[in-house]
Amino acid sequence: AQSVTQPDIHITVSEGASLELRCNYSYGATPYLFWYVQSPGQGLQLLLKYFSGDTLVQGIKGFEAEFKRSQSSFNLRKPSVHWSDAAEYFCAVGHGNQFYFGTGTSLTVIP
Amino acid sequence: DAGITQSPRYKITETGRQVTLMCHQTWSHSYMFWYRQDLGHGLRLIYYSAAADITDKGEVPDGYVVSRSKTENFPLTLESATRSQTSVYFCASSPGGEQYFGPGTRLTVT
Repeated sequence: AQSVTQPDIHITVSEGASLELRCNYSYGATPYLFWYVQSPGQGLQLLLKYFSGDTLVQGIKGFEAEFKRSQSSFNLRKPSVHWSDAAEYFCAVGHGNQFYFGTGTSLTVIP
Repeated sequence: DAGITQSPRYKITETGRQVTLMCHQTWSHSYMFWYRQDLGHGLRLIYYSAAADITDKGEVPDGYVVSRSKTENFPLTLESATRSQTSVYFCASSPGGEQYFGPGTRLTVT
């Protein structure tokens, strides 16, 4: 069955520190992979996407993600976190009407 | 302006009333979706549409009705609102890959 797992419900990092949010997926076909960010009271905003090609993809706001087929993972990274990055982050896989979201990772940034 | 909009942004209604949440996108995306977001449940798909006049149920369709007579609009109707339908509702559209989300409608059923 298709699914997305975000093993970390909540992560706290210091401002300026590096960040890695984990995402593992189960999907029968070649996956289309996505990361979204949701600030409080807002809708989900697309950070980056992977369809094919280079397994390291760059997104908005300085984020990047790496697709590792052997590990069924698509982890999100940022080298230096800013206080404004505090939000909920969702990993997703699929295309068309077959779209699956993880349960989200809440990021707290401390000064 | 181009994008995806939802209206109203906030709505309070009483149990048993009919409520319609509107969703409009300007990209002519084929796919449109309705989700609800509740604490502890993440995003749950209510209904989706692959094209005008084509709709199908998602994970939690009971108590909801959708229609899609035009590509750009995808209204969601709660036929007889219940307190369990208090939630934040998000509409999304997609060309087939990534989804683009509206700002959401916060619905409270009293």
